[in-house]
Amino acid sequence: RKEVEQDPGPFNVPEGATVAFNCTYSNSASQSFFWYRQDCRKEPKLLMSVYSSGNEDGRFTAQLNRASQYISLLIRDSKLSDSATYLCVVTVDYKLSFGAGTTVTVRA
Amino acid sequence: EAQVTQNPRYLITVTGKKLTVTCSQNMNHEYMSWYRQDPGLGLRQIYYSMNVEVTDKGDVPEGYKVSRKEKRNFPLILESPSPNQTSLYFCASRFQGQGYSPLHFGNGTRLTVT
Repeated sequence: RKEVEQDPGPFNVPEGATVAFNCTYSNSASQSFFWYRQDCRKEPKLLMSVYSSGNEDGRFTAQLNRASQYISLLIRDSKLSDSATYLCVVTVDYKLSFGAGTTVTVRA
Repeated sequence: EAQVTQNPRYLITVTGKKLTVTCSQNMNHEYMSWYRQDPGLGLRQIYYSMNVEVTDKGDVPEGYKVSRKEKRNFPLILESPSPNQTSLYFCASRFQGQGYSPLHFGNGTRLTVT
């Protein structure tokens, strides 16, 4: 089983829609969780950290479910500029594990 | 400006010709790492370093070497490149010892080995 798994998508949504997707992790000792955004073959950029109580940054909401070992990302009021691949990253001590990414395409 | 700088951005070379991809960060990060990214496989770690003179293998270290003589620099060396090393490479760094410290990535090196 992979350490971190994501639904690759693609999720095709119209502008203004809400889209949500999950990332599951296998190691119950995982400590830190992040969502990164990657545009076509460019470097991944930090979108947001994921905190135990859940957190929000504008239109983006991240949740952590330790019992079921997954994190989620919800994007409200999708914009064309939200089209990207979203990577989840999970850390255990010094080791970071990446999901393969979920592709989101927002259409006009 | 805080950044991770990789060079070159693009590189085309031939099988067997040694090459080095440089990586430098100006954030005083202890941890540095190299990744390769291939379609459908996501980011895979090649080597990482937790501090000066400390390096360890990641998930796909075969065919690569690294060194960490200075805190800011972490070059990736391909002694004898082969076509299966054609990939997109990223260097990244972060503070070590802080569980919530995210990775900062360089802007990538697209390598083609013919």
